[in-house]
Amino acid sequence: GDSVTQMEGPVTLSEEAFLTINCTYTATGYPSLFWYVQYPGEGLQLLLKATKADDKGSNKGFEATYRKETTSFHLEKGSVQVSDSAVYFCALTTPRDSNYQLIWGAGTKLIIKP
Amino acid sequence: KAGVTQTPRYLIKTRGQQVTLSCSPISGHRSVSWYQQTPGQGLQFLFEYFSETQRNKGNFPGRFSGRQFSNSRSEMNVSTLELGDSALYLCASRHRTSGGTDTQYFGPGTRLTVL
Repeated sequence: GDSVTQMEGPVTLSEEAFLTINCTYTATGYPSLFWYVQYPGEGLQLLLKATKADDKGSNKGFEATYRKETTSFHLEKGSVQVSDSAVYFCALTTPRDSNYQLIWGAGTKLIIKP
Repeated sequence: KAGVTQTPRYLIKTRGQQVTLSCSPISGHRSVSWYQQTPGQGLQFLFEYFSETQRNKGNFPGRFSGRQFSNSRSEMNVSTLELGDSALYLCASRHRTSGGTDTQYFGPGTRLTVL
């Protein structure tokens, strides 16, 4: 079945460091890929998405490129801030309308130290 | 547009009781999905409702049920609560873009604690 694998956390970085959170997937067909972020005590917010190979999603300085050849969707940011501390989830869905659900990675906790 | 709203935000119940959680989707969204989030199991899909019909169901016991009303608002019910039902319950409203790509938008969740 479809699955998503994320790097384990927590990931601890200093402010202004470069961030990479790895995400790989297994899916039949052509999935859409998402990154969601969850701040402490809150629900999930869509951070970015990509719907086909070589698409790049971007938002708030974060980027991820849909790599079909490596089945990956790694999240990157050039300079992190303390306010980026949160849990990041990689997810996929295959657009079959009758069976729609998001398949989730385990989440990666990011801690940014000032 | 207002986002997805969930009520209540926090609930404390005791084992054996039942609970009903409510979700109002983004205006115009007809699909509502429910997820359970726990530290041990992560995010797990419960079910999806579209136009008042359950379209898809995850691997949860029959104690977990839901429904959707004609205005797209949805409720989730858990009967005979167990300690393991303590979790954050997230509701998501589904939006189909013009490109046919579905995007789900989440509410803040209901934190259920079972004592």
